[in-house]
Amino acid sequence: ETGVTQTPRHLVMGMTNKKSLKCEQHLGHNAMYWYKQSAKKPLELMFVYSLEERVENNSVPSRFSPECPNSSHLFLHLHTLQPEDSALYLCASSQELADRTDTQYFGPGTRLTVL
Amino acid sequence: GNSVTQMEGPVTLSEEAFLTINCTYTATGYPSLFWYVQYPGEGLQLLLKATKADDKGSNKGFEATYRKETTSFHLEKGSVQVSDSAVYFCALRQGAQKLVFGQGTRLTINP
Repeated sequence: ETGVTQTPRHLVMGMTNKKSLKCEQHLGHNAMYWYKQSAKKPLELMFVYSLEERVENNSVPSRFSPECPNSSHLFLHLHTLQPEDSALYLCASSQELADRTDTQYFGPGTRLTVL
Repeated sequence: GNSVTQMEGPVTLSEEAFLTINCTYTATGYPSLFWYVQYPGEGLQLLLKATKADDKGSNKGFEATYRKETTSFHLEKGSVQVSDSAVYFCALRQGAQKLVFGQGTRLTINP
């Protein structure tokens, strides 16, 4: 399944670095999402975009900055992260945000380690 | 608010055993229900879904029936394989609200 791709797959960065995660969906969907998956914690929804507009921001620290330049691409810009930000970051897309039957399709994730 | 509760893991079974992973939910109205699977080192994949009461979702030998009277969506498979070893997530979505996940159940199948 290559509908949603993420790069890089693995990233190690220092607390003073700036890096970006990239997500691309090839499914013609209108909504895109960033999730954080930490060990022993439920999946956390971070950001939601619909038709390139941010519609949800779940109290995420400002050191995480999303960008959605078009409906196929989503970025997560990272700066001055903390070790507790180490996690698997998952991107997802779906056809229609407002439809309860809508299915989200996930990318493989970026495994981020902050030293 | 909406919530999903899954059975505690980890679950360990022998190959060809019968599998049940329990999932119950709390929601007002009529949510859609989903099972996602996460294989080691990968993202989540949709396994099956059901969008209204008494619907049965099925895929790859897995089944789950949307039971409104018991607010449940238990995942079952008649004969598991080693390749089914993964983490399984139950989730619900209501209207335009966000997808709500359970905590995940880690399944290990021994040969």
